[in-house]
Amino acid sequence: NAGVTQTPKFRILKIGQSMTLQCAQDMNHNYMYWYRQDPGMGLKLIYYSVGAGITDKGEVPNGYNVSRSTTEDFPLRLELAAPSQTSVYFCASSRDTGVGTDTQYFGPGTRLTVL
Amino acid sequence: GQNIDQPTEMTATEGAIVQINCTYQTSGFNGLFWYQQHAGEAPTFLSYNVLDGLEEKGRFSSFLSRSKGYSYLLLKELQMKDSASYLCAPRRGKLQFGAGTQVVVTP
Repeated sequence: NAGVTQTPKFRILKIGQSMTLQCAQDMNHNYMYWYRQDPGMGLKLIYYSVGAGITDKGEVPNGYNVSRSTTEDFPLRLELAAPSQTSVYFCASSRDTGVGTDTQYFGPGTRLTVL
Repeated sequence: GQNIDQPTEMTATEGAIVQINCTYQTSGFNGLFWYQQHAGEAPTFLSYNVLDGLEEKGRFSSFLSRSKGYSYLLLKELQMKDSASYLCAPRRGKLQFGAGTQVVVTP
């Protein structure tokens, strides 16, 4: 199993550009998450999904959009990139949210710089 | 963040023991995770506590006191590869992550 994969690993965007960060998991997990991590800060939840077709906002959703058309894929879309979106983005998945089944497994991250 | 308090950095020598404390808001609490994150890498799962007490897993142990809103991660027989950030993540509905404690292991 590859686990959770993310592409690209690095990206530099200009202000106002758009891009999609890709995330895929092959563990048949129901739950998927997008976090951002700024230097010296904890992970902050952007969006999450409890299954195909169902998404919901996390703590910091502004400036982002998501979709979940399949169990495996959970792309994150940035529209009109801003310097404040410079961060490391992590995708994660978990089987469920019950005790013992909600351990989150993280992808390797995408390092995004907006100039 | 989110009133999760853990020290910013701790330094210890190889072979020593280090204890990383974490305090959090108790309202709606439903379990606590510890993750390890090496520089430039993704967080990886270390331990999970949902009941009070100590969970031991090899060189790493994690303790939880729900009434006090307190947990600690104990790293024993420190090795150089243990140099990393350790994230305390209480669950209140969803996981919330602390800023992490950077552990520096010196020879």
